[in-house]
Amino acid sequence: GAGVSQTPSNKVTEKGKYVELRCDPISGHTALYWYRQSLGQGPEFLIYFQGTGAADDSGLPNDRFFAVRPEGSVSTLKIQRTERGDSAVYLCASSLDGVAVEQYFGPGTRLTVT
Amino acid sequence: GDSVTQMEGPVTLSEEAFLTINCTYTATGYPSLFWYVQYPGEGLQLLLKATKADDKGSNKGFEATYRKETTSFHLEKGSVQVSDSAVYFCAQGDAGGTSYGKLTFGQGTILTVHP
Repeated sequence: GAGVSQTPSNKVTEKGKYVELRCDPISGHTALYWYRQSLGQGPEFLIYFQGTGAADDSGLPNDRFFAVRPEGSVSTLKIQRTERGDSAVYLCASSLDGVAVEQYFGPGTRLTVT
Repeated sequence: GDSVTQMEGPVTLSEEAFLTINCTYTATGYPSLFWYVQYPGEGLQLLLKATKADDKGSNKGFEATYRKETTSFHLEKGSVQVSDSAVYFCAQGDAGGTSYGKLTFGQGTILTVHP
């Protein structure tokens, strides 16, 4: 079956611009996670959705970052007033539910802020 | 807070050599433990997992044992292949807080296997 998909695969934007990154989880998975991976580092947790609600957004670095999942499926990570330090690979993962141990990762969106 | 520490890389081995990548975690409670692998040009894939103390996870010839007494989850393989060249990440799941599935990753270890 289809895995987790993310679009775009690459995004280059200028400092100060607004960007949206999209994640399409595996069908039927109620839990969705966003992570950020900087070069040479492991992924860092940003936010977790169970259904439509953000159950844990403690990893969002500041109020420029926001994510939604209005229908409990597709999620969008939104970054306002982008900064060069936001450049990273943004990973999305889904799991059957919030208790299931196995998360399935998408290929990521590489964001470059110039 | 919770953290995962991995053996620093990069690690370079010849084919058929023995591999160990060390991983230790800090968490109260009993987190699930994972090894993920990222092959060149591909996304993160779950390699193996263990959900309770003394469990051994295994897959594709790789093994790791959940050691509560040493808070470790070292990855081993008896005979590596060129195709095992990748970045390996150790991770722990949340040990029972509100975000049950949230993962905390180590920094990753680059493995290169030469023929």
